[in-house]
Amino acid sequence: KAGVTQTPRYLIKTRGQQVTLSCSPISGHRSVSWYQQTPGQGLQFLFEYFSETQRNKGNFPGRFSGRQFSNSRSEMNVSTLELGDSALYLCASSLSPSATGELFFGEGSRLTVL
Amino acid sequence: AQSVTQLDSQVPVFEEAPVELRCNYSSSVSVYLFWYVQYPNQGLQLLLKYLSGSTLVKGINGFEAEFNKSQTSFHLRKPSVHISDTAEYFCAVILTDSWGKLQFGAGTQVVVTP
Repeated sequence: KAGVTQTPRYLIKTRGQQVTLSCSPISGHRSVSWYQQTPGQGLQFLFEYFSETQRNKGNFPGRFSGRQFSNSRSEMNVSTLELGDSALYLCASSLSPSATGELFFGEGSRLTVL
Repeated sequence: AQSVTQLDSQVPVFEEAPVELRCNYSSSVSVYLFWYVQYPNQGLQLLLKYLSGSTLVKGINGFEAEFNKSQTSFHLRKPSVHISDTAEYFCAVILTDSWGKLQFGAGTQVVVTP
């Protein structure tokens, strides 16, 4: 059974650009969450999607957005990139909203903003 | 407000020695508690979780944790560590008034030496 797949694994952008990250959940999982991991702020929740609907959102500016498709795949977009957006972006999937279930994490997309 | 506090940022330990990683949480509502492990350049993997029932929870790789409601703690233990346990460990909670949103502690880096 394939795990959570995130693409690209590494990318470098410059300030002001925008980026789109992709996440393919485990087959059959319908809930996808995104987290940002930085040395200074640690792991912070971005948003969660279930059945193409955003169910929960963290405290990030509107430059951070996401969506989920009918096949449960998800994308997140960051516009007008800032140096502080450099981070490891982790996607996690679960069968249903993660209140009690186990989250399965991908290996992440490491974004560097120059 | 910080919901999860991991009291140690780094814990050095010798191989075959026991280890305890401390985690305290603050919440006015019920919580579900989790420990995740992150190996270098990988995503997070669930070690164990407490949802209800017995306060002593056993997880993978010989780890266990005890939920103490009165002290609002969920400390992780392993009686004998291996070199391969070198990793970063994260305590996390889900508040029952914020379904689907994992809140992580800052992490504890465990370094196992021969």
